[in-house]
Amino acid sequence: NAGVTQTPKFQVLKTGQSMTLQCAQDMNHEYMSWYRQDPGMGLRLIHYSVGAGITDQGEVPNGYNVSRSTTEDFPLRLLSAAPSQTSVYFCASRVSGDSYEQYFGPGTRLTVT
Amino acid sequence: GEDVEQSLFLSVREGDSSVINCTYTDSSSTYLYWYKQEPGAGLQLLTYIFSNMDMKQDQRLTVLLNKKDKHLSLRIADTQTGDSAIYFCAEDPGAGSYQLTFGKGTKLSVIP
Repeated sequence: NAGVTQTPKFQVLKTGQSMTLQCAQDMNHEYMSWYRQDPGMGLRLIHYSVGAGITDQGEVPNGYNVSRSTTEDFPLRLLSAAPSQTSVYFCASRVSGDSYEQYFGPGTRLTVT
Repeated sequence: GEDVEQSLFLSVREGDSSVINCTYTDSSSTYLYWYKQEPGAGLQLLTYIFSNMDMKQDQRLTVLLNKKDKHLSLRIADTQTGDSAIYFCAEDPGAGSYQLTFGKGTKLSVIP
């Protein structure tokens, strides 16, 4: 298993540009989520999905869209990038139910100028 | 709402024990986790404890849970330079929520 993969690893955008951060997992996990990590802020949940076709907002959803058309993929879209979205983005997945382990991808480092 | 607090920095000498502390607010949390993040990498699950346990030991790692005080600690025995990383405490409310709440992370520096 490749686990959770994320592309790209690094990205620089100009203010107002759009882009999609890709996330895929090959473990057949129902639950997937996106976090952002900022210095001194820990990880904050952006959006999550409990299965294909179902998404919901986390703590900091503004400026981001998600969709979940397949179990494997959970892309995160920035429609109009802002400097405040400069961050490191992590995708994670886990099985539903009482499983304790959440698997994280390696992260995408995004800079918006 | 839920909140998880950790001190931001800890410095120890190689060979000593490290103790990283965490407090949380959600008394209904089912699992509490410790994640490790090395520079430039994602988060790796280090260990976890179920809410009906007081202690869990796993090789050099000891997790203590005081539910009354909502206090969680991670002790690393014989700390090595490879243990230098950021350690995150996280709580899982369970009951189908799946939304982990993370602390801000404790940066552990190990002095050779």
